[in-house]
Amino acid sequence: DGGITQSPKYLFRKEGQNVTLSCEQNLNHDAMYWYRQDPGQGLRLIYYSQIVNDFQKGDIAEGYSVSREKKESFPLTVTSAQKNPTAFYLCASTNTVGTEAFFGQGTRLTVV
Amino acid sequence: DQQVKQNSPSLSVQEGRISILNCDYTNSMFDYFLWYKKYPAEGPTFLISISSIKDKNEDGRFTVFLNKSAKHLSLHIVPSQPGDSAVYFCAALNDYKLSFGAGTTVTVRA
Repeated sequence: DGGITQSPKYLFRKEGQNVTLSCEQNLNHDAMYWYRQDPGQGLRLIYYSQIVNDFQKGDIAEGYSVSREKKESFPLTVTSAQKNPTAFYLCASTNTVGTEAFFGQGTRLTVV
Repeated sequence: DQQVKQNSPSLSVQEGRISILNCDYTNSMFDYFLWYKKYPAEGPTFLISISSIKDKNEDGRFTVFLNKSAKHLSLHIVPSQPGDSAVYFCAALNDYKLSFGAGTTVTVRA
């Protein structure tokens, strides 16, 4: 079955540690995205990538980093520089501009 | 700066009636608009979309209207059903950048 997979579903991190969230898609989509959702808020764009080896900052990129070495993978690293990392993180992918983006089931990150 | 705005955080509607969700945007470069539905702790699912060259798109119970001059779009759900209770997000595309509004929580009352 084609789809987009995020892992893990729940993640706990100690303050000051970096953590990497996984996002894999087998839809052969070119573009991939990372969003963050906080309670009662919308989806805010962290980073997006139109093509392999290329990515752009979204609206809240500070404290995050990404890589796009393979078409099917777009991991997000939450660094210790991110002041408020506790949130629900969503990954998405789309094939061409104007078509719907498919979302993963999300990773809930909690800093303890 | 929020370029896609959903100014109504919540909407309550009786089953069988029409739900109207509104969305405003500020960036005239947006060329595609989408609506998503989301349940708690899940990823959003796509509902319906509209190109900036159209003013209406219909799919079953869902219709999206676009008013480019007002930079406004709306989603109509007719008739509303209990399963429609969820958070609805408006989204807009500029090239590959996909931006979302803050969402509107819809509650359908029996």
